[in-house]
Amino acid sequence: NAGVTQTPKFQVLKTGQSMTLQCAQDMNHNSMYWYRQDPGMGLRLIYYSASEGTTDKGEVPNGYNVSRLNKREFSLRLESAAPSQTSVYFCASSPGQVVNEQFFGPGTRLTVL
Amino acid sequence: ELKVEQNPLFLSMQEGKNYTIYCNYSTTSDRLYWYRQDPGKSLESLFVLLSNGAVKQEGRLMASLDTKARLSTLHITAAVHDLSATYFCAVDINSGYALNFGKGTSLLVTP
Repeated sequence: NAGVTQTPKFQVLKTGQSMTLQCAQDMNHNSMYWYRQDPGMGLRLIYYSASEGTTDKGEVPNGYNVSRLNKREFSLRLESAAPSQTSVYFCASSPGQVVNEQFFGPGTRLTVL
Repeated sequence: ELKVEQNPLFLSMQEGKNYTIYCNYSTTSDRLYWYRQDPGKSLESLFVLLSNGAVKQEGRLMASLDTKARLSTLHITAAVHDLSATYFCAVDINSGYALNFGKGTSLLVTP
């Protein structure tokens, strides 16, 4: 089992460019999440999908969109990147039941110039 | 709004010493998780605490949960350098929704 995989691992964008971060899990989990991690801020939730076919905003959704393509895949799109979106992005998945232990992908380090 | 506060945020300790990291949260919950993050790496699940009084131990780390006090502790016994990392607690108030993370405790164990 690969667990949670993310692509790309690193990306540099110019302001105004767009890109999509890909995430996939092979644990048959119902719920998937996108977080961003900034120094001193902990992890902040961007969007989540409690189950296939549903998505909801988290704490910091502005400037992002998501797609739950199927049960395995959950993508995050930046339509017009801004320097404030420079961060490390983590995708996570969980069974989404009583025990909500989340399993994290390796992260994408994004720099917006 | 749920607040999750960890302290200390930074901790430098000598090998062989004991110490405790605290995680306080502001809303009723009986589900709390501890994660470890090495520099430049992802988060790794350490402990899952699912009820009041739950205690879990793995090697030199022991985690406990007091839901009445809204407090979890991560106790380090006889620290070794390999424990140097950032430790996060995360509280679950609505299963299926996201976890609410503390800001993390950056631990450095020195000889």
